[in-house]
Amino acid sequence: DIVMTQSPDSLAVSLGERATIHCKSSQSVLYSSNNKNYLAWYQQKPGQSPKLLIYWASTRESGVPDRFSGSGSGTDFTLTISSLQAEDVAVYYCQQYYGSPFTFGPGTKVHIK
Amino acid sequence: EVQLVESGGGLVKPGGSLRLSCAASGFTFNSAWMSWVRQGPGKGLEWVGRIRPKTDGGTTDYAAPVKDRFTISRDDSSNTLYLQMNSLKTEDTALYYCTLGQGLLPGWGQGALVTVSS
Repeated sequence: DIVMTQSPDSLAVSLGERATIHCKSSQSVLYSSNNKNYLAWYQQKPGQSPKLLIYWASTRESGVPDRFSGSGSGTDFTLTISSLQAEDVAVYYCQQYYGSPFTFGPGTKVHIK
Repeated sequence: EVQLVESGGGLVKPGGSLRLSCAASGFTFNSAWMSWVRQGPGKGLEWVGRIRPKTDGGTTDYAAPVKDRFTISRDDSSNTLYLQMNSLKTEDTALYYCTLGQGLLPGWGQGALVTVSS
């Protein structure tokens, strides 16, 4: 199974400041035949279901604000919130969908400093 | 708009069984890959398994912790996804989400709570 790790576990950021979350996979999730990284990011706000934010490592889901961006390739990925808003308080999970079982990272909790 | 509504959660004793249902709407269910994901109390997300559309064989895959105990099925005539859970263990206690997709999961239900306790 592909093991996903995230850092940090928790992150306190001031409103309007940048938040950066790292995700690492135990093996590459880059599929060479199409040059796509099978890596997604989900946001889970308190008391809500998870919501897909980013897929193919850097493509924003429809309706997701452009302050959210994803980057990285192979085994190392980053989710950046360029200017943190109050409504961004949530747990963020990375997930690989390269191969079954489709594993998630342990999550990073983002809160306001 | 994708809508997924789970039902059937509850309290069950270890070794018992429970069946969850998920009513789907807002997309073409009979051609959709569907999955179940669970979240233990205060824990992260765990993919449980998936089912292919009948046009792709309708077959299933499961995560190791639930293989041979859980069964995913679908009724395309009623747009309903099911999760049959047998031989339940205390560690199966979780909120179970019905999701659209197989790996990439663009749609999630609100979850059904399953508590396994004596």
